[in-house]
Amino acid sequence: SQQGEEDPQALSIQEGENATMNCSYKTSINNLQWYRQNSGRGLVHLILIRSNEREKHSGRLRVTLDTSKKSSSLLITASRAADTASYFCATDGGGAQKLVFGQGTRLTINP
Amino acid sequence: NAGVMQNPRHLVRRRGQEARLRCSPMKGHSHVYWYRQLPEEGLKFMVYLQKENIIDESGMPKERFSAEFPKEGPSILRIQQVVRGDSAAYFCASSPPLQGVQETQYFGPGTRLLVL
Repeated sequence: SQQGEEDPQALSIQEGENATMNCSYKTSINNLQWYRQNSGRGLVHLILIRSNEREKHSGRLRVTLDTSKKSSSLLITASRAADTASYFCATDGGGAQKLVFGQGTRLTINP
Repeated sequence: NAGVMQNPRHLVRRRGQEARLRCSPMKGHSHVYWYRQLPEEGLKFMVYLQKENIIDESGMPKERFSAEFPKEGPSILRIQQVVRGDSAAYFCASSPPLQGVQETQYFGPGTRLLVL
């Protein structure tokens, strides 16, 4: 069964606006990671948040984690056309060394 | 420091042929992971290897698929007698020696396999 599930599945906004993507998961975790994938390319690691952290920032990215609700959000502020990509959350399933990915959110930034 | 390298980037095979996908982890990384991505879907874990050891192959199909990570050289994902359903992007990731919990995995550019 799918561990991580992102919503929305697709998001289209204007350049300069903020984009928020959500991820829900089912089992307990040690950490949660967000990745970006440009069309037809590999995955780029964005940020890792550990289960004892509630919020983390990296440049224009802000990630929150609510372990009581088993959910995380990724906020991209002041979006740019170059942010157009698919964004995936991935969990470790509580100690396994494999990552469990959601289906992803396809983000489109319109100039 | 070069990233994770995969080759070939694109591979076309006819049904029944063999596909061999290679992955060289980042320098200093001793853990390799293989994932498969079908169109418009997320990545699905296949196998986790350390040098000369398969640690977790719970995501590998029971038949036709095998993986290795020899003492010397790249990790190899081998698919025998390919079928059209094997068409997908195959990603390799590597991580440094683990220190108790999951570490960040760094992904290669992927190999896109097309089975005709």
